[in-house]
Order: sequence, then C-alpha cells, then structure tokens
Amino acid sequence: KAGVTQTPRYLIKTRGQQVTLSCSPISGHRSVSWYQQTPGQGLQFLFEYFSETQRNKGNFPGRFSGRQFSNSRSEMNVSTLELGDSALYLCASRLDSPDKAFFGQGTRLTVV
Amino acid sequence: SQQGEEDPQALSIQEGENATMNCSYKTSINNLQWYRQNSGRGLVHLILIRSNEREKHSGRLRVTLDTSKKSSSLLITASRAADTASYFCATDPIKAAGNKLTFGGGTRVLVKP
Repeated sequence: KAGVTQTPRYLIKTRGQQVTLSCSPISGHRSVSWYQQTPGQGLQFLFEYFSETQRNKGNFPGRFSGRQFSNSRSEMNVSTLELGDSALYLCASRLDSPDKAFFGQGTRLTVV
Repeated sequence: SQQGEEDPQALSIQEGENATMNCSYKTSINNLQWYRQNSGRGLVHLILIRSNEREKHSGRLRVTLDTSKKSSSLLITASRAADTASYFCATDPIKAAGNKLTFGGGTRVLVKP
C-alpha cells in the first residue's frame, strides 16, 4: 500500500496570506489527523476527521480549519497567516483508534 | 499541551551501545506508540504497545509499559549510526473523543560511529 502523502512538501507564504495543505491517507483509512510541530511547542494536535466529520479539535484559533472528502483525503487551511504559524505540519492516517497511526513526510510552512 | 515527558532530552552514545529512553504520561491510555523522526521529516512508526501489555519487541527495539507508574521505556540495542534521530512517545487516551495522540517532547539520540 502507498503511504500517507502530503503536498506540497515546502511552502513559503507572506503574513496575512492563507494556505491550504493536502493529505492523502493510506487506502482504507478513514481517520485523518493533523499535527503542528514547532521547536518551542513540540508536536501538537490540530484536529481529526473521520468519515468527513470533525471528531476532535485541538486548542488552536479558528484561523485553522480543515475538511475531509468522501475519498478520505483531507485538507487543512490556515487563514491570515502569522509568523508563528511557521512549522512542520504533519498528517496522520489510521483505520481508527486504537490502531497504529501512520504519518506523512509533512509540509514545511515558512511564513515571512 | 503535551501529556508526556521524555527523559533524557538528549542522548549521545557510541555505535554498538544500547540506548534507553523513558516516557511518562498523565492519563489512562488505550495504547502507547513510539515513533522515530529524522531531522525534520515525517514520523516513522516503531511500536504500538497496548495498555494490557507489559513488554513488546521488534527487531532491536524493546518497549516496556508500566500503567501503574504511567511510564514506558524504549530500548534500542546494538545501536547504529542510522539510529541517530529523535524518538517520541505518543499516548492514545481512553476518554478522548475520536483519535487524538498526545506526544512527549522527544529524545534526541546521537549515535557516533
């Protein structure tokens, strides 16, 4: 099976812009979660989608949003970018809890 | 916020030596997973240990879990330069709605040739 695919791998954006990141999970996996990784805060949970419904949400402002499509692919959107949004954004795919979660290579977002 | 604390934060060893790192967590869990991350790349799944298991092996990796102490350890035996990476534990809380892994701060391991 193909692994979790995240696109793009790298992004540079300007403050105030918005960005959309994409994640294609492993075939058959219906749960997709998003995480933000920064040197200061470590790995933090953003949200999780299962069968097109958001099931869980982390403690992030409303500028961070996501969605999941019927083929389980997911997108996350960050609006009005701030310098502090610079991070590695990771997507995880799993059948459901409590199974293994498999991660993509991440999208490195730099806000200038 | 992170549920887990990992200890040590950094570890430097010679090739061939064993590396041990520990993870402590706060709430009751379904399982605990260990991951490896090479220099800013994605997380590679290493081992999942369920709350009713005490020890699990995979190749040169040995994981233990003590739910009474809310702690886990990862042992890498006969380390290689390729084991140089950051290692994270992640817990799957029992009462979380849906899937929400909570990560520790990680242990940076340097294996010197």
